[in-house]
Amino acid sequence: AQSVTQLGSHVSVSEGALVLLRCNYSSSVPPYLFWYVQYPNQGLQLLLKYTSAATLVKGINGFEAEFKKSETSFHLTKPSAHMSDAAEYFCAVSDRTNTDKLIFGTGTRLQVFP
Amino acid sequence: DAGVIQSPRHEVTEMGQEVTLRCKPISGHDYLFWYRQTMMRGLELLIYFNNNVPIDDSGMPEDRFSAKMPNASFSTLKIQPSEPRDSAVYFCASSRGLARNEQFFGPGTRLTVL
Repeated sequence: AQSVTQLGSHVSVSEGALVLLRCNYSSSVPPYLFWYVQYPNQGLQLLLKYTSAATLVKGINGFEAEFKKSETSFHLTKPSAHMSDAAEYFCAVSDRTNTDKLIFGTGTRLQVFP
Repeated sequence: DAGVIQSPRHEVTEMGQEVTLRCKPISGHDYLFWYRQTMMRGLELLIYFNNNVPIDDSGMPEDRFSAKMPNASFSTLKIQPSEPRDSAVYFCASSRGLARNEQFFGPGTRLTVL
């Protein structure tokens, strides 16, 4: 069965520093992969998704993620953190041959310090 | 479009009472999902519908939980009787087409069972 593992439940960076949030997936077939962001007291919003086109995917707010099949990873990065990036980030996977469900990781809370 | 609409935004009730959460998906979306989010268990898919038909309810915790979608623009999640362990944030999400497409989340209903 497909699954995702997010390494690190909390990540802290200084404003202007690189953001790196880690996600590894497990899937029997090439998956669809997603990153969602949840701001306080809000629902989740899609940041970006990988659906087998380019392996480097660009999303909103300057985020990007690279699909690496050899490492079964889909890490999220942003070159320079902004205070407004403070939120919880969820990696999710959908198995192409299975159902329409998304399987979410446990989330990583990003703190940005001035 | 107004996005996914959920009501109420907050609900406080006493153990044993019936609770009904409501969701209006985005017009034209044919998939509707109910999730529950807690600190302990993260984001869990409870049930989802396709074209108003329940497809997978394997995430529904027990018989106290039920969900309906009488038409394309309305769904309910009912808990009867409610228990303190049901306290959580419940999200409704909708999407158009298959799981590779973006799910749009509502703002959530924060349920507290005393």
